[in-house]
Amino acid sequence: QSVLTQPPSVSGAPGQRVAISCTGSSSNIGADYGVHWYQQLPGTAPKLLIFDNTNRPSGVPDRFSGSKSDTSASLAITGLQPEDEADYYCQSFDSSLSGAVFGAGTKVTVL
Amino acid sequence: QVQLVESGGGMVQPGGSLRLSCAASGVTFSAHAMHWVRQDPGKGLEWVAFISSDGNNKKYADSVRGRITVSRDNSKNTLYLQMNSLRPEDTSVYYCARESLYSYGPIGYFDHWGQGALVTVSS
Repeated sequence: QSVLTQPPSVSGAPGQRVAISCTGSSSNIGADYGVHWYQQLPGTAPKLLIFDNTNRPSGVPDRFSGSKSDTSASLAITGLQPEDEADYYCQSFDSSLSGAVFGAGTKVTVL
Repeated sequence: QVQLVESGGGMVQPGGSLRLSCAASGVTFSAHAMHWVRQDPGKGLEWVAFISSDGNNKKYADSVRGRITVSRDNSKNTLYLQMNSLRPEDTSVYYCARESLYSYGPIGYFDHWGQGALVTVSS
């Protein structure tokens, strides 16, 4: 059971908006530790998508956006593209475990 | 161009040992904290270990503490993961990951990842 809870899957048609939630607790997201998001395309290593809740590394399209509120965070993809079909993971730090924690991942399917 | 290349993966019997290496290039290796993250085949990501830039501070996941040791040689730009008393549940792809210099908090975000090394623990 992951410390951060994500939905197993979300889907949408090309051009639609989808959102992935990441729910934590007072020892991680709620303690104001940053939430980061990674995209993992099939057969490849994870790639940083969003860091510190809302920031995009250079080269990441602006259709990806992140937000955070209290003990939860969210990744939104607006204008869904076929190449966005991948697994997405949230990550933070947990003070009780004294380590990094990941969500179980969400598979995004483009219909 | 930052590059992280893992090596040393393979098949090992339960109870055995293995050492993974992660060679870094195109980066000021000694300035960055480094991590190991693993992924069971078809499953999610699990953080395994952290080592500070100077090697003096280390953290481990509860699932591996006491069996796994992270170390680094900044003169060789290389990160290591020594795995002992291996169990079938340690079967996984092991990624090395670089922590960003601009992270805040005890552990921040991972801005570069290696391609992964597969470790299979089976008799």
